[in-house]
Amino acid sequence: DAEITQSPRHKITETGRQVTLACHQTWNHNNMFWYRQDLGHGLRLIHYSYGVHDTNKGEVSDGYSVSRSNTEDLPLTLESAASSQTSVYFCASNTGTQGRRNTQYFGPGTRLTVL
Amino acid sequence: GQQVMQIPQYQHVQEGEDFTTYCNSSTTLSNIQWYKQRPGGHPVFLIQLVKSGEVKKQKRLTFQFGEAKKNSSLHITATQTTDVGTYFCAGLRDSGAGSYQLTFGKGTKLSVIP
Repeated sequence: DAEITQSPRHKITETGRQVTLACHQTWNHNNMFWYRQDLGHGLRLIHYSYGVHDTNKGEVSDGYSVSRSNTEDLPLTLESAASSQTSVYFCASNTGTQGRRNTQYFGPGTRLTVL
Repeated sequence: GQQVMQIPQYQHVQEGEDFTTYCNSSTTLSNIQWYKQRPGGHPVFLIQLVKSGEVKKQKRLTFQFGEAKKNSSLHITATQTTDVGTYFCAGLRDSGAGSYQLTFGKGTKLSVIP
């Protein structure tokens, strides 16, 4: 069965370190998204990609970067982790078809703690 | 930018009572989607509404999309403990430019007291 996976599921790091969170989907979806979820803020879009080599900034992109070298993967990098980036991170994907087929499939999430 | 407001933020109900969460967008939406997130889990798609004034039902859940396509609601009849979780609305702006970004509301966290 097609799925979307994230790794690691839990990560503790120190301020200033570079951290990369992996996202892999086997749906063959064109579109991939990264969100962070914090209490009181819901889901906020960090970066998104509409296809290979395409990346775009979302609402809260400062301090984060992504790259899309193939259809299946969209790794999220925190260049220099800050305590404000402690959060739960969700990756999602969808087909990108115009109109109705744009529901998002979410990965299980990565809980990141920056000390 | 587009904003999607969702109320209430929290709702505690006795099992068997009804529950409603409301979603309002600052701009006209192409469609609106609803997701449910169980405690410790990830958001899971429930339904998508596309047409003005659309009403859809899934067992005890009733979803409505406003005539102006700027608001929506989710109503649960006779809540059960299995309904516990956070319900998110998410709007897709009617940009016509091939945009597939959803703007999520902050969610309504539902607690059901047995």
